[in-house]
Amino acid sequence: GDSVTQMEGPVTLSEEAFLTINCTYTATGYPSLFWYVQYPGEGLQLLLKATKADDKGSNKGFEATYRKETTSFHLEKGSVQVSDSAVYFCASRLSGGFKTIFGAGTRLFVKA
Amino acid sequence: EAQVTQNPRYLITVTGKKLTVTCSQNMNHEYMSWYRQDPGLGLRQIYYSMNVEVTDKGDVPEGYKVSRKEKRNFPLILESPSPNQTSLYFCASSFKRDNTYEQYFGPGTRLTVT
Repeated sequence: GDSVTQMEGPVTLSEEAFLTINCTYTATGYPSLFWYVQYPGEGLQLLLKATKADDKGSNKGFEATYRKETTSFHLEKGSVQVSDSAVYFCASRLSGGFKTIFGAGTRLFVKA
Repeated sequence: EAQVTQNPRYLITVTGKKLTVTCSQNMNHEYMSWYRQDPGLGLRQIYYSMNVEVTDKGDVPEGYKVSRKEKRNFPLILESPSPNQTSLYFCASSFKRDNTYEQYFGPGTRLTVT
C-alpha cells in the first residue's frame, strides 16, 4: 500500500546549522506531497507542498523538491532558528483522493 | 478568523462511558477528517466526510462513529471507549487549491481512557 517514511528523530542542531529531514514515499499513482509542522501544544500547519515532479515547495526559509526518480521529498533549511523547534510531518495525497498519508514525524530541537 | 475548533481540549474518562468530541470549522469547507496521533505512528485517519451526509471510513475506524448533519460540524463519537483509544485526536477541514487539498487542523483533543 501507499506509505510515507521519514527519518527518525529527534534531530538536535545548533542555531544557524543546516537542516535536512529525509522523506520518501511509495504510491500507486502520482501524489501531491506536503510538509506539515506541529509546534508544541498545537495542531498541524501546512508548511509547504509540491503537486508534481520537479516542483519545489518553499516557505519561511524551508524548501523541498519533489523527486520522482528517487520518490523523495526531503525538507531543507539553510540556517535554523530556535523557533523552528517542532515536529515535522511529511505527507502524501493522491490526486483526486480523499486520504492523506502521514509519516511518523521528526522532532527537531534547535539549541541557542 | 479562519479556524477549526475542537472541544474539549482535554478529557479523562472511564471505559465504556460514551463521549463526543466536537469539531467545527468556519471556512465553508466541504471535506473534513478525523485523525488520531500516537507516538511513532504519525497521524492515522479515522473517518472522513466529503460533504453533508457523506462519510467514509479511514484507516482505523473501529470503535468510532461520526456524523455530518451540517457542513460546519463533524463530531467524533466513541460509543464505548476503551483504553486503547487513549490518544491525541485532530480534526481537519480541507479545501482544494492547485489541484490538491490543503488541510487546516484543529488544536487537538487529548483523550485518556482509564
